Amino acid sequence: EIVLTQSPATLSLSPGERATLSCRASQSISNYLAWYQQKPGQAPRLLIYDASTRATGIPARFSGSGSGTDFTLTISSLEPEDFAIYYCQQRSNWPPLTFGGGTKVEIK
Amino acid sequence: QVQLVESGGGVVQPGRSLRLSCAASGFAFSSYAMHWVRQAPGKGLEWVAVISYDGNSKYYAGSVKGRFTISRDNSRNTLYLQMNSLGTVDTAVYYCATEHREDHEARPYFQHWGQGTLVTVSS
Repeated sequence: EIVLTQSPATLSLSPGERATLSCRASQSISNYLAWYQQKPGQAPRLLIYDASTRATGIPARFSGSGSGTDFTLTISSLEPEDFAIYYCQQRSNWPPLTFGGGTKVEIK
Repeated sequence: QVQLVESGGGVVQPGRSLRLSCAASGFAFSSYAMHWVRQAPGKGLEWVAVISYDGNSKYYAGSVKGRFTISRDNSRNTLYLQMNSLGTVDTAVYYCATEHREDHEARPYFQHWGQGTLVTVSS
């Protein structure tokens, strides 16, 4: 089973700042990684798939990069609605499909 | 627009069974693989199971294999999750979700989600 490790667990930033979230895989997963955003009481929302492609309707301030074992989600300038929990998920070697433990982006 | 509505959650005693349903509308349900994903209170996401568009292929997380059964009725646009031998570790919000479809390709990511249904296993 591929383990995804996200860091940091919590990121405290102010609106307008740049957010950089990390996801590391326990073995190479090529570019088979997605990022999701989840707000309290809501279902997750797909942001990025295959490491760097924005899903339909996702603003350009969200970008993804990486391949192999190290991946990054960048939010170029945080909007108030971006404070949430972010999860990565791999599809390289499944079942099972696996998620990272999440990074909470909170208002500083 | 795509709509997924889960139902069937509730409080159940350990060792008992429960069946969840997910009613789909707004898309070609019978051509999409479908997933169940769960989230324990205050915890992260855990993939539970997937079923192919025609119901012929099914895969499960190790934590539920042998206890849970995923199925679908394409004539009713409905996805199911039969959960047997429930334990307290199964307490979670259960989401149904579609596979991801973009660029003429299907991928095992989760594109559309329901609002979730809470299952609480407690004596």
